[in-house]
Amino acid sequence: EPEVTQTPSHQVTQMGQEVILRCVPISNHLYFYWYRQILGQKVEFLVSFYNNEISEKSEIFDDQFSVERPDGSNFTLKIRSTKLEDSAMYFCASTWSGSGSLGETQYFGPGTRLLVL
Amino acid sequence: GDSVTQMEGPVTLSEEAFLTINCTYTATGYPSLFWYVQYPGEGLQLLLKATKADDKGSNKGFEATYRKETTSFHLEKGSVQVSDSAVYFCALRVRGNNRLAFGKGNQVVVIP
Repeated sequence: EPEVTQTPSHQVTQMGQEVILRCVPISNHLYFYWYRQILGQKVEFLVSFYNNEISEKSEIFDDQFSVERPDGSNFTLKIRSTKLEDSAMYFCASTWSGSGSLGETQYFGPGTRLLVL
Repeated sequence: GDSVTQMEGPVTLSEEAFLTINCTYTATGYPSLFWYVQYPGEGLQLLLKATKADDKGSNKGFEATYRKETTSFHLEKGSVQVSDSAVYFCALRVRGNNRLAFGKGNQVVVIP
């Protein structure tokens, strides 16, 4: 069964450093998402991406964050200058279609655990 | 805004016991409702869903009914197994939005 993959599974970085989290969505999917979960808190939506541009973003997704689909398979989340509060589990997800299909399942990857020291 | 509330704290129970995890929601529109499950070391997997009031989603012995009058979508299973040990997340999605709004999740531990 096709699945979303993410790398690395764990990343430790120093405050102020840039990190890039990588995701390979399911191959025929068109919509891509990033979510995060700070320890003990809810899974929070960050951004959705379609047709090579951001389609929706939350208030969390400020100028420190960016997303990119550099080639036909990868989808990346970059944090330009990490802060302690960026420490979280980051999940990538993908779907075939967007909000027109309410029941559309978002398929999630296993997550990248980011620790900022 | 759109939000989901799950009951506080982990749930520990014995094999073959009855499981209920409460989920209530607030939504500006007419949401679809989902339960996702996360097994250790894996991603979030869709367990079941319901897209309109009174729909019942079911999968792997789990059930949840979309109750518009009580804005709830409680998850139930009649007889749990050790393999059901996981974290369970309730979520909603409103028409016009791509985003899922999640609850905090509940750790379920089933003891043999």
